[in-house]
Parts: sequence; C-alpha cells; structure tokens
Amino acid sequence: AQKVTQAQTEISVVEKEDVTLDCVYETRDTTYYLFWYKQPPSGELVFLIRRNSFDEQNEISGRYSWNFQKSTSSFNFTITASQVVDSAVYFCALSEFSSGSARQLTFGSGTQLTVLP
Amino acid sequence: DGGITQSPKYLFRKEGQNVTLSCEQNLNHDAMYWYRQDPGQGLRLIYYSQIVNDFQKGDIAEGYSVSREKKESFPLTVTSAQKNPTAFYLCASSINAGINYGYTFGSGTRLTVV
Repeated sequence: AQKVTQAQTEISVVEKEDVTLDCVYETRDTTYYLFWYKQPPSGELVFLIRRNSFDEQNEISGRYSWNFQKSTSSFNFTITASQVVDSAVYFCALSEFSSGSARQLTFGSGTQLTVLP
Repeated sequence: DGGITQSPKYLFRKEGQNVTLSCEQNLNHDAMYWYRQDPGQGLRLIYYSQIVNDFQKGDIAEGYSVSREKKESFPLTVTSAQKNPTAFYLCASSINAGINYGYTFGSGTRLTVV
C-alpha cells in the first residue's frame, strides 16, 4: 500500500529565510509519480511539480527547488528567500503506476507554512 | 479558460437532510474525483470515475453517493447517513493516460451541518 508522510505539521519562518518541507513516501512499485501541490487560503490546490520514479534529477524553478532521493524515499521541497505570498498548505502526493488507469493520488497530511513579514 | 467549477462555495445543511455538491469540468478529462479534507488531515478519496456511467468507491465512500451521466459533470450527494459531513470537499479531474499528469482541482465547497 502506498503512503505519504509529511511530518512537519506547521512551519513558521520570517520573510527571506529559506525553508524546506519534508516528504517521505512508501510504495512497492518501481514506477510511480510524486507531486507537490500548494493550497492557498482560497482553497484550490495548485499543481507545482510532477516527478517520475526514473528521474532523480533535482529541479529548480525560480525560488522553488525539489530534492528527490530514492535511497531515502524522500521528495523534499525547498523555498529560497521565502515571501509572505508563499504562506499556504503544501501537500506531497504519490501515484503508483499499478494503481490502474484512474491514477489515484495518495496525499500526505500537508504542511502549513506561514511566512511572517 | 478550461477548468473545474464547484458550486456552491459554502453550503449549510440541517441534520437529516441530503445535499448535492456540483462539479463541472470543461477540460475534456476522462477521470473525475471527489476528496474530503478535514483540518490537519490530508485529502481522502470519496469516489472516483474513469468514464461516463461508471464510478468506484474510494476510501471513505460511506454516506455519499455520486453519478456520472455526462463526461463534464460529477455531482456528489452527501446523504443523511454520513455521520460527520462538516468538511471541505474538493473535486478534481485528470486525463486517463499512461503518464500521470496529475490532477486539476476545483476551488472547493465548504459544507457545514447546522
């Protein structure tokens, strides 16, 4: 069975600090997909990144970067020079290739990030 | 612009009543999903549908029902059998393809039992 753990329930940082959100996953599949979503106060989940299990290259997109390590089953998310607008709940999610064509996503419990001015 | 529309944004229900949450998408996606979100918890899958006139139970389907008569629409009914329906409900859709491109989400409906 697949499982996603986000051990950090809440994080508070001061603007311009760097912050890393942790994500640890469990799966028996060798082919799977990992995602990060952002949920601002408005409620809608916004897609940030998708990574497949065969691509362990780290990715950077502006102030966002992701560190995927299969050896530790982790897919951590770092925000550099955080801004107040980054305040949101962030979800990590996993989809196993063998879960069928519905491609169900299993979500972690989320990390509430608060960036203080 | 393509997207998912959920309505209403806020919904109040008296105990013992059934209520229906609307979800419409114009993305031409095959699959649609309903998730429930409670404070401090992740999203839990209620029902999903891969194709018109077919749907499957998720992890917490008890007390809920759905229909999928049109590709664009996937309404969720919260029945009186659902013991604790107060929550935030999110609808999502995705392409049914070999590669998982992830989901597109609606803006959610917040249901409160009064």
